[in-house]
Amino acid sequence: DIVMTQSPDSLAVSLGERATINCKSSQSVLYSSSDKNFLAWYQQKPGQPPKLLIYGASTRESGVPDRFSGSGSGTDFTLTISSLQAEDVAVYYCQQYYSAPFTFGGGTKVEIK
Amino acid sequence: EVQLVESGGGLVQPGGSLRLSCAASGFTFRTYAMSWVRQAPGKGLEWVSVICGGTSTYYADSVKGRFTISRDNSKNTLYLQMNSLRAEDTAIYYCVKGGSTSCNGHMDVWGKGTTVTVSS
Repeated sequence: DIVMTQSPDSLAVSLGERATINCKSSQSVLYSSSDKNFLAWYQQKPGQPPKLLIYGASTRESGVPDRFSGSGSGTDFTLTISSLQAEDVAVYYCQQYYSAPFTFGGGTKVEIK
Repeated sequence: EVQLVESGGGLVQPGGSLRLSCAASGFTFRTYAMSWVRQAPGKGLEWVSVICGGTSTYYADSVKGRFTISRDNSKNTLYLQMNSLRAEDTAIYYCVKGGSTSCNGHMDVWGKGTTVTVSS
């Protein structure tokens, strides 16, 4: 099974500042024939179901603000919130869909400093 | 508008069974992979199972042999039959739509979830 490791477990960022979340997979999730990374990011606010933010490591889902961006390839990925807003307080998860079981990272809790 | 509405959760004794349902609307159900993801109280997300646009299915090791995912495309409904339930199966179970027919795809729409509690 592919193990997804997120860091940090939590971070506190001032409003308007940058938040960076890392995700590392135990093996590559790059599908060579399509040159696409099978990696998604989800946001979960308290009391709500998760919401898709990013797929293919860097493609923003429709309607997601452009302050959210994803980068990385192979085994190392990053979710960046360029200017943290109050409504971004949430837990963020990465997930690989390269091979079953399609495992999630442990989550990163983002709070306001 | 895409909607996923789960039902069938509840309180069940260890060793018991439960069948979850997910009623889908707003998209061509038969052409998309569908998944179940669960979240134990205060914990992170755990992928449970997926059924592709065809009939292929995959399971997490923790539920393999106990849970069965299925779909009825004529009713636009996804199911999860859960047998031999354990206390560690206690969680909110989310029905999730895939982004394509392939099992190897991101998940783009989540239901609100149904709660399963396994306790004596």
